[in-house]
Amino acid sequence: AQKVTQAQTEISVVEKEDVTLDCVYETRDTTYYLFWYKQPPSGELVFLIRRNSFDEQNEISGRYSWNFQKSTSSFNFTITASQVVDSAVYFCALSEVLGGSEKLVFGKGTKLTVNP
Amino acid sequence: EPEVTQTPSHQVTQMGQEVILRCVPISNHLYFYWYRQILGQKVEFLVSFYNNEISEKSEIFDDQFSVERPDGSNFTLKIRSTKLEDSAMYFCANTGAESRYQETQYFGPGTRLLVL
Repeated sequence: AQKVTQAQTEISVVEKEDVTLDCVYETRDTTYYLFWYKQPPSGELVFLIRRNSFDEQNEISGRYSWNFQKSTSSFNFTITASQVVDSAVYFCALSEVLGGSEKLVFGKGTKLTVNP
Repeated sequence: EPEVTQTPSHQVTQMGQEVILRCVPISNHLYFYWYRQILGQKVEFLVSFYNNEISEKSEIFDDQFSVERPDGSNFTLKIRSTKLEDSAMYFCANTGAESRYQETQYFGPGTRLLVL
């Protein structure tokens, strides 16, 4: 069965610190997609990234970077030089392909607070 | 980024009443989903819908729930007789036309439902 674990419930940092949000997943499929979504205090879910299981290249987008490691079933998210506007709940999610289900399975989320 | 819209943004209802939550999907998107998020918890899959049929549903999606596209554009979630535990944020999501497995699910801003 699919499962996504975000062990960090809450993280608090001071502005300009780097912070890494952990995500560990379980799946029996060899083909799957991993996602990160941001949920700011206003409540909407904002798509950040999608990565397929065959692409283990790390990705960088501005201050955001993602480290995908199949060997450890992890898809960690790093924010460099954090800003107050980064304060939000961040969700990691998994979508299997070969299992025939198209649903996203979410982790419980990590609440990030960036203090000025 | 494409936008999904949802109405209403907030709804308060009495237990036992029927509610209809509406979603306007991204134009030409064919795959539709509803998720819910109980306050402070993770996002949970409810149902997926394609070609005017439910393609998958979760255990949460019992006989009290139904979905349809009444006019070929809007996508609705109906809760026939609301219970206190239906209080949650309900998100609509869409993916594109080519393959639901290869597309990102874009979420609407959500409808916050409160059942009293």
